[in-house]
Amino acid sequence: EIVLTQSPGTLSLSPGEGTTLSCRASQSVISSYLAWYQQKPGQAPRLLIYGTSSRAAGIPDRFSGSGSGTDFTLTISRLEPEDFAVYYCQQYSTPLTFGGGTKVEIK
Amino acid sequence: EVQLVESGGGLVQPGGSLRLSCAASGFTFSAHWMHWVRQAPGKGLVWVSRIRNDGSSTSYADSVKGRFTISRDNAKNTLYLQMNSLRAEDTAVYYCVRVSWYNAFDIWGQGTMVTVSS
Repeated sequence: EIVLTQSPGTLSLSPGEGTTLSCRASQSVISSYLAWYQQKPGQAPRLLIYGTSSRAAGIPDRFSGSGSGTDFTLTISRLEPEDFAVYYCQQYSTPLTFGGGTKVEIK
Repeated sequence: EVQLVESGGGLVQPGGSLRLSCAASGFTFSAHWMHWVRQAPGKGLVWVSRIRNDGSSTSYADSVKGRFTISRDNAKNTLYLQMNSLRAEDTAVYYCVRVSWYNAFDIWGQGTMVTVSS
């Protein structure tokens, strides 16, 4: 099983700031199998990034993904009020696994 | 509108059973692999099970193997999760999820809550 470790656990930031979230895998992940999701309280997760770096439909270009092998990142260039949420990375090789999440909170 | 709507959650005693359903609409259900993902209160996302688009292949997380069964009825556009021998640690919101052609979860249901408690 591929274990995904996300860091940091929590980020306290202000609107307008940029940030980078990390997702580290215990073994190499196929780049096309790495995705990022956003989840707000009381809501289902929403797909942001698939295939490491491709934005899902309707996702603004302030969100970008990069990485390869065991190290992947999600970058938010300028935080909007609606971006404060929990972010999860996920890999698609069976058994599928998610990272533990990074909470981006308002400072 | 592309939509997944789960039902069947509720309160059940340890050792009991429950069957979750997920009604799909707005897309060709039979063309997509489907998954169940759960989330315990205040915790992260955990993959539970998946089924091939034609139902011919399934896979399970170790934590539910032998207790849960995923199935689908493509004629009814419905996904199921039969949960037996339920434990307190199965308490969670269960999400029905569609897999896109690019191997990511592009459509999520709203979730159904399962509580295992005496």
